[in-house]
Amino acid sequence: DSGVTQTPKHLITATGQRVTLRCSPRSGDLSVYWYQQSLDQGLQFLIQYYNGEERAKGNILERFSAQQFPDLHSELNLSSLELGDSALYFCASGRENTDTQYFGPGTRLTVL
Amino acid sequence: AQSVTQLDSQVPVFEEAPVELRCNYSSSVSVYLFWYVQYPNQGLQLLLKYLSGSTLVKGINGFEAEFNKSQTSFHLRKPSVHISDTAEYFCAVTTDSGYALNFGKGTSLLVTP
Repeated sequence: DSGVTQTPKHLITATGQRVTLRCSPRSGDLSVYWYQQSLDQGLQFLIQYYNGEERAKGNILERFSAQQFPDLHSELNLSSLELGDSALYFCASGRENTDTQYFGPGTRLTVL
Repeated sequence: AQSVTQLDSQVPVFEEAPVELRCNYSSSVSVYLFWYVQYPNQGLQLLLKYLSGSTLVKGINGFEAEFNKSQTSFHLRKPSVHISDTAEYFCAVTTDSGYALNFGKGTSLLVTP
């Protein structure tokens, strides 16, 4: 158990819909990273937040957005969903200037 | 930008045999290198990391990796694998602490009796 929690574990929805994925980092971790794992693209970095502020952006679509709240949990919002958004979404957390990221168990999103 | 290439998508091996999973990286600056393991239906777990210092890095579950700057490689090895090592293995690179990881495509290790 990494100490990072993600909810829900599974999510099935239809094209065009909007969903929210939630992540709670390890106690004391200020950084939250979101990654997408799909069969064709592999593991890709989406976005990073540090202590409530956006720190870095990766291959995140404009239809996707995220935020980190004062209690440090983070949410990833996916809208206008397409079939190709079906993937495993991981959240990871880490301390300031630390090299190690701890990954949550992931949320499997299926878009039908 | 830095990138990682995992040269083998699948590696089948017999139980108790040695294994090497290959990883090459590309970067114009100094890098930090990682190996993560993903067991079926689970998240990623850190196996080992290279930040600086000794080029031979030992990790959990008997795995080790060697950083080779001249060959830009960071291959993962285990002298004797177990059935329980069957999993997906990812090599990752970053250029500084606190930065996002760039992952390779992964290598599926299948250990059979």
